[in-house]
Amino acid sequence: DTAVSQTPKYLVTQMGNDKSIKCEQNLGHDTMYWYKQDSKKFLKIMFSYNNKELIINETVPNRFSPKSPDKAHLNLHINSLELGDSAVYFCASSQKPRGNYGYTFGSGTRLTVV
Amino acid sequence: KNEVEQSPQNLTAQEGEFITINCSYSVGISALHWLQQHPGGGIVSLFMLSSGKKKHGRLIATINIQEKHSSLHITASHPRDSAVYICAVRYGNKLVFGAGTILRVKS
Repeated sequence: DTAVSQTPKYLVTQMGNDKSIKCEQNLGHDTMYWYKQDSKKFLKIMFSYNNKELIINETVPNRFSPKSPDKAHLNLHINSLELGDSAVYFCASSQKPRGNYGYTFGSGTRLTVV
Repeated sequence: KNEVEQSPQNLTAQEGEFITINCSYSVGISALHWLQQHPGGGIVSLFMLSSGKKKHGRLIATINIQEKHSSLHITASHPRDSAVYICAVRYGNKLVFGAGTILRVKS
């Protein structure tokens, strides 16, 4: 049973397209995250939701819009894709947004914009 | 300057060597995480520390809260330990990452 599952694993698309990445967790955690890993392997927070409520929204272009229909799902929609959006996107979850709780990561979605 | 600094950036070791990766941070934290990422792979959580020391198999992680420093040690290293090791600190509701240490263990 996969704890945090992301789909798709790979996504190749042309500039200007709109695409979505889906994430689901079956751990019963309250908090979910989207992280972006650039070509140098550096990870950075993009968004976080706690019980469907947005709690972190870092400096991310408006073309990126997260949606959390329930606390087990956090999807990421990207409009008008640009070359610079190429990266690996990781979804993660934790039991609570604060405190000493561990994180569980998905296996990542490698997005390539051509 | 990143709030989380890791050293070294790259590390090549011979099989069997003792390995140390260091992490320093500049903010007050509630916990520090060590993560592992194999090439082309997902991210696995190795340890979460808020004080002292933890051990799991050949991996040992220590943290000194006063000095804002943590180390990850690998004893009797093996080629399968080759991966990127990432230090991350949690403060407030955020997880802030170091740039990672690329470890290659040669047989």
